Amino acid sequence: LAKTTQPISMDSYEGQEVNITCSHNNIATNDYITWYQQFPSQGPRFIIQGYKTKVTNEVASLFIPADRKSSTLSLPRVSLSDTAVYYCLVGERNTGGFKTIFGAGTRLFVKA
Amino acid sequence: EPEVTQTPSHQVTQMGQEVILRCVPISNHLYFYWYRQILGQKVEFLVSFYNNEISEKSEIFDDQFSVERPDGSNFTLKIRSTKLEDSAMYFCARDGTGGVNYGYTFGSGTRLTVV
Repeated sequence: LAKTTQPISMDSYEGQEVNITCSHNNIATNDYITWYQQFPSQGPRFIIQGYKTKVTNEVASLFIPADRKSSTLSLPRVSLSDTAVYYCLVGERNTGGFKTIFGAGTRLFVKA
Repeated sequence: EPEVTQTPSHQVTQMGQEVILRCVPISNHLYFYWYRQILGQKVEFLVSFYNNEISEKSEIFDDQFSVERPDGSNFTLKIRSTKLEDSAMYFCARDGTGGVNYGYTFGSGTRLTVV
């Protein structure tokens, strides 16, 4: 399983764009990059998943360079409710029994 | 997509007692998982379950733990003799729906407090 490294915490203000970068130098050919969000006392919530280049949905964008050794989750115009822990995970796409491993994540604090 | 439902939301039990945590995923999904999160710590993988069998488990998932899908709908995690260190949030999850969303869907969790 590829190990991921992301900042422990980040601060931002409402209305700003937030970019959280994750390093995964040992990513394998079959690995996908998945980001989750977790609020206190709640289960993680899937945000976005990608393999290469750029992926965008209604919540976020995911930028993946050609070498795939890192990825950046971009949250446009954050609000106070985006304060949460964000996890970057790397692994094969939902193969049987694949044990998604969570790291420590990045604690994002959004201030008014 | 309907959510994963977990019951109870909070359970307090005495050390040494057995507890059963329940999860209702969607029956047409194939893979189910249990995770736990000790307060202030990261989410830890416990076990994955496919076709009514354990497909993978972590070192945490020792003989005190077991999983079942007794009726094809409910998915349970049993802890036979709870210890203080079993106090944590326990999350059930199911695999993604396919298409553009391959992430897991997690339940809201059961907070287990062992006293």
